[in-house]
Amino acid sequence: EAGVTQFPSHSVIEKGQTVTLRCDPISGHDNLYWYRRVMGKEIKFLLHFVKESKQDESGMPNNRFLAERTGGTYSTLKVQPAELEDSGVYFCASSQDPRTSGLYNEQFFGPGTRLTVL
Amino acid sequence: AQSVTQPDIHITVSEGASLELRCNYSYGATPYLFWYVQSPGQGLQLLLKYFSGDTLVQGIKGFEAEFKRSQSSFNLRKPSVHWSDAAEYFCAVGPYSGNTPLVFGKGTRLSVIA
Repeated sequence: EAGVTQFPSHSVIEKGQTVTLRCDPISGHDNLYWYRRVMGKEIKFLLHFVKESKQDESGMPNNRFLAERTGGTYSTLKVQPAELEDSGVYFCASSQDPRTSGLYNEQFFGPGTRLTVL
Repeated sequence: AQSVTQPDIHITVSEGASLELRCNYSYGATPYLFWYVQSPGQGLQLLLKYFSGDTLVQGIKGFEAEFKRSQSSFNLRKPSVHWSDAAEYFCAVGPYSGNTPLVFGKGTRLSVIA
């Protein structure tokens, strides 16, 4: 079974440009999470989808970030316009619905997208 | 607020030597605790987790971790390190709720020398 995939693996853009990151979760996983790691810092939560609905977006840094999950399958995270401080590694994770497989579900992570804003 | 502290940013050990990576957490209730590893070019892979019960948890790749409630610690250990263990290790905490996000530490980078 395929794991969580993310595209692109690397992106280098100029300040002020737009970038869209994509995450394909494991098939059948209703929960999808975005996290970000800025260099030297901890991995921080950005937002959580349950199917196509945003369950929690408390970690989104500002309104330059827009996440979507149309149809409850893959998700995109758009940064517009990008700023220098947006540089980092963006991770996506997915998990099953705990009602079908237990109280806690392991979050499976993708390889991340390394974003560099110049 | 929940937090995880990994006091060691970078550790270097010789191949075959033992390893202990430290993790301390701050959480108001009984947490779920995790260790993840990220090898170059790879995603975060779950090494082991603690939910309840036996405080010594066995994981993949020969790793184990011990939960010590009195010290709010969940240190990761391996008796004999292999060169392939060189990676970055992250400790994380999650509350007792199925879908809530994880809180991570800053990570510890492990280098292995011959």
